Amino acid sequence: QKEVEQNSGPLSVPEGAIASLNCTYSDRGSQSFFWYRQYSGKSPELIMFIYSNGDKEDGRFTAQLNKASQYVSLLIRDSQPSDSATYLCAVNIGTRYGAGSYQLTFGKGTKLSVIP
Amino acid sequence: KAGVTQTPRYLIKTRGQQVTLSCSPISGHRSVSWYQQTPGQGLQFLFEYFSETQRNKGNFPGRFSGRQFSNSRSEMNVSTLELGDSALYLCASRLAGAFAGELFFGEGSRLTVL
Repeated sequence: QKEVEQNSGPLSVPEGAIASLNCTYSDRGSQSFFWYRQYSGKSPELIMFIYSNGDKEDGRFTAQLNKASQYVSLLIRDSQPSDSATYLCAVNIGTRYGAGSYQLTFGKGTKLSVIP
Repeated sequence: KAGVTQTPRYLIKTRGQQVTLSCSPISGHRSVSWYQQTPGQGLQFLFEYFSETQRNKGNFPGRFSGRQFSNSRSEMNVSTLELGDSALYLCASRLAGAFAGELFFGEGSRLTVL
């Protein structure tokens, strides 16, 4: 069973709209959750992380976590063409392997296209 | 501050050969992780090293191995290459601590196996 699931997309939104990206995970013991952005031909870069239930906002980005439903989402407000990229949801399952261990399990990513 | 540096960036090998990839983490980062990225499987964890010790390993065969040196630089080796090993191999470093910080990825080494 896959541990982190995302819709592969592509998700197309018009410029200025809200893009909503979703992710579910299977390990109830997961403690930390991350959203990475990967432009075509580039390496992933972290844009948000969240540890606690609820919302966390950073500029145009809002991460939402619901541990009971094992669900993480990323909202991008006022979407810009420069936001067009693949968004990767990642979960730290390192706690299975002992204190200090750090292993991210990634979803396969959702490709976002922002149409001017 | 310099980022994560991976070498070589591109390489082509034939089945049965072996390959060694190198990663220099950001200065001060003692944790180095390796990931394999393919279109079909996405990003998959290979292993993590901290202070020259492998802390955990992903679900890959023993042909995949790695090591870390005292200066935190890391290498990974793949022996007896198979066509399915063609992938982008990404190295990531981070500051180790109670609240694990973000991973900083290098640009990757793209391996093609013919």
